[in-house]
Amino acid sequence: AQSVTQLGSHVSVSEGALVLLRCNYSSSVPPYLFWYVQYPNQGLQLLLKYTSAATLVKGINGFEAEFKKSETSFHLTKPSAHMSDAAEYFCAVIRPNSGGYQKVTFGTGTKLQVIP
Amino acid sequence: EPEVTQTPSHQVTQMGQEVILRCVPISNHLYFYWYRQILGQKVEFLVSFYNNEISEKSEIFDDQFSVERPDGSNFTLKIRSTKLEDSAMYFCASTPGLGADTQYFGPGTRLTVL
Repeated sequence: AQSVTQLGSHVSVSEGALVLLRCNYSSSVPPYLFWYVQYPNQGLQLLLKYTSAATLVKGINGFEAEFKKSETSFHLTKPSAHMSDAAEYFCAVIRPNSGGYQKVTFGTGTKLQVIP
Repeated sequence: EPEVTQTPSHQVTQMGQEVILRCVPISNHLYFYWYRQILGQKVEFLVSFYNNEISEKSEIFDDQFSVERPDGSNFTLKIRSTKLEDSAMYFCASTPGLGADTQYFGPGTRLTVL
């Protein structure tokens, strides 16, 4: 079975500072990994995904994540935080090639606060 | 860009009542899913559906829950007799087909059981 662990349920950064949201995965096979963002009172929007191609993945809104097999990590970063980045971020995993359908397993989420 | 839609955005019901949450997946998608997010908790898988059958369901998806694709566009989640603990945000998702990796999520329906 696969799972993800997000370290830190709340992260606060100053506007313009580096954003680092941590995610570690556990999987018996090489997983596909995702970051989703949820703005207040909205649904889940895909930020980026890793599907065994390039280990450094770039997503929307200036976010990127690096898949590190040796560390079983998929941390999300952004060089410079913007006020509009305040949201909840979910790391997620699926087992690829599992017969067509998959279930996404989500982490517990990290709420990002951006301080002016 | 095509998107998954869900109605209603917010449903309030009395405990013991039946509710039906509706979803319209992206039109050429074949696999459909429901997830639930209790306030303050993580998003949890409920059920996946393909070819008019349930493919997989979680332990949360008990006999009180059912899913249906009544026509070519809608995908519904029914809760037969709602409980207080069913209060949550319910998300629908869909994927195009075999080998597809990204699930596209709808905006969610917030269910409040009083």
